[in-house]
Amino acid sequence: AQSVTQLDSQVPVFEEAPVELRCNYSSSVSVYLFWYVQYPNQGLQLLLKYLSGSTLVESINGFEAEFNKSQTSFHLRKPSVHISDTAEYFCAVSYYNDYKLSFGAGTTVTVRA
Amino acid sequence: EAQVTQNPRYLITVTGKKLTVTCSQNMNHEYMSWYRQDPGLGLRQIYYSMNVEVTDKGDVPEGYKVSRKEKRNFPLILESPSPNQTSLYFCASSAYGTDTQYFGPGTRLTVL
Repeated sequence: AQSVTQLDSQVPVFEEAPVELRCNYSSSVSVYLFWYVQYPNQGLQLLLKYLSGSTLVESINGFEAEFNKSQTSFHLRKPSVHISDTAEYFCAVSYYNDYKLSFGAGTTVTVRA
Repeated sequence: EAQVTQNPRYLITVTGKKLTVTCSQNMNHEYMSWYRQDPGLGLRQIYYSMNVEVTDKGDVPEGYKVSRKEKRNFPLILESPSPNQTSLYFCASSAYGTDTQYFGPGTRLTVL
């Protein structure tokens, strides 16, 4: 079984500052890795995913995440955040060909002016 | 527009009063799933369905039932709700051979 640990429950950050959200997973086999974002009072949206290939994956709104197999991590970063990035972010994993997602507890990012 | 819809979005009920939360998707997805979201615990899977008439338990199935009589619908049934089922519920769907799940807007349930 896999488990997901998000190391920070709350991350306050000023506008235009960088942010990093940490995610570690434990699994004895290869997994797929995802970051989902939940804006206030909305459902979850896929932000980015790692399936295979390049270990650095990017989203269309400036976020990126790097898969590190040796450290079993998939940290999410953005070099300069906006007020609109205020949301809860969830790291998730799944096995190959298994549709079940196992989620971390979530990290709430609050961006202040 | 491709989407997953849930109804109702908000519900306050009392202990023991049976309720159903509906979930419908218009993307012809085979896989559907229910999650509950609780503070500090993230999302946990309740039940899932690989196709019509095929359902199975997730991590936290106690107190819930589901059915999958049609491909597009996957209702969540609480036969006798209790206060510990107060939560935010999400339905999700996915197509076979893909890795992306699409989530509904959520249903906030309060059981008094």
